[in-house]
Amino acid sequence: DSGVTQTPKHLITATGQRVTLRCSPRSGDLSVYWYQQSLDQGLQFLIHYYNGEERAKGNILERFSAQQFPDLHSELNLSSLELGDSALYFCASSAYTGVPNEKLFFGSGTQLSVL
Amino acid sequence: DQQVKQNSPSLSVQEGRISILNCDYTNSMFDYFLWYKKYPAEGPTFLISISSIKDKNEDGRFTVFLNKSAKHLSLHIVPSQPGDSAVYFCAASDRTGGGADGLTFGKGTHLIIQP
Repeated sequence: DSGVTQTPKHLITATGQRVTLRCSPRSGDLSVYWYQQSLDQGLQFLIHYYNGEERAKGNILERFSAQQFPDLHSELNLSSLELGDSALYFCASSAYTGVPNEKLFFGSGTQLSVL
Repeated sequence: DQQVKQNSPSLSVQEGRISILNCDYTNSMFDYFLWYKKYPAEGPTFLISISSIKDKNEDGRFTVFLNKSAKHLSLHIVPSQPGDSAVYFCAASDRTGGGADGLTFGKGTHLIIQP
């Protein structure tokens, strides 16, 4: 058990809809990262939040947004969903506090299916 | 463009033998490298890492080798055990930006240990 909790585990929705994925980091970790794993791709970095502030952005679409709340949990919002958004979405946390720390602890992911 | 490449989608090795997983990268700014291991229905877990100032790092049965001039790294598992059957992801980081950017992952290699 990594200590990172993601909900829901599975999500089935239709094109054009909006969904919210939730992540609770490991106790004590201030950093949360979101990754997308599509069928034929490796894990693609989407966004990094540190202590409530956005720290880095990767290949995140404009239809996607994220936030980190004062209690450090994070939500990834996906809107105007398309078939191609179907993927496994991982959240990870780390002890990053401004100094590089690439040892990430991943949740078990949310499998999103857009029909 | 794939900056981290794992050209073997799968690898089958006999129990007790050496498993060698390979990874190539194209971005010369990468200066920290990691291997993650993933079992089905779980998130990736950190396995071992290496800084670009080293050419080898060992942890028990796992050794990572880095050849900077060839932009190549490899993971050696000796001896291979049935529990090593998993998908292995190579990942890289550019620490010059402070390490806030997410990791760049390869697509993974599915290692199968045959009894």
